[in-house]
Amino acid sequence: GESVGLHLPTLSVQEGDNSIINCAYSNSASDYFIWYKQESGKGPQFIIDIRSNMDKRQGQRVTVLLNKTVKHLSLQIAATQPGDSAVYFCAESFSGGYQKVTFGTGTKLQVIP
Amino acid sequence: EAQVTQNPRYLITVTGKKLTVTCSQNMNHEYMSWYRQDPGLGLRQIYYSMNVEVTDKGDVPEGYKVSRKEKRNFPLILESPSPNQTSLYFCASSLLGTPARGNTIYFGEGSWLTVV
Repeated sequence: GESVGLHLPTLSVQEGDNSIINCAYSNSASDYFIWYKQESGKGPQFIIDIRSNMDKRQGQRVTVLLNKTVKHLSLQIAATQPGDSAVYFCAESFSGGYQKVTFGTGTKLQVIP
Repeated sequence: EAQVTQNPRYLITVTGKKLTVTCSQNMNHEYMSWYRQDPGLGLRQIYYSMNVEVTDKGDVPEGYKVSRKEKRNFPLILESPSPNQTSLYFCASSLLGTPARGNTIYFGEGSWLTVV
């Protein structure tokens, strides 16, 4: 699984600090967005989602912010822990008929103990 | 435990030798899909299935086949593998084909395929 992360932008964060991972999406008609976490050697896991009628949604230690004006999505992780080290990627979808999901390429988060 | 199971997890094969990657889900999901993940390209959809006996092409279907004879299984078939099909493959399922809130996409652990 490591080779998937070799070509990705990397964010290095000290343990305990907050992390902010950014994503630019492409389709202005997209109305549903998802963040996934992919640990080394594993499949992607759902973290949090947000609809286009919201600009912020909070989960446990994670917050997603949506700026439709500039087609930008961010994932904030509070008090980053070593277990948060993974590749994070966003996905966008458009409601209507079959809702195809388009995945971003991802950002690698490295937590420094 | 809810899961999507793929086999094999790792495979090295030779060009032209037919292979099948199996996928099974135990959540009674209607929707299943195959993706390939390549460095710098993100997840790209190969094929998807909205229900039994209903399959359709995704973004990169060339060189692949699928079948959906049972709800729980969705095998990916490479009739004549080529080196450009070397990749990490993920099977996924969700309750419905619509990724609305509450209709989470579950991914398998991945299958590393190398074609030499």
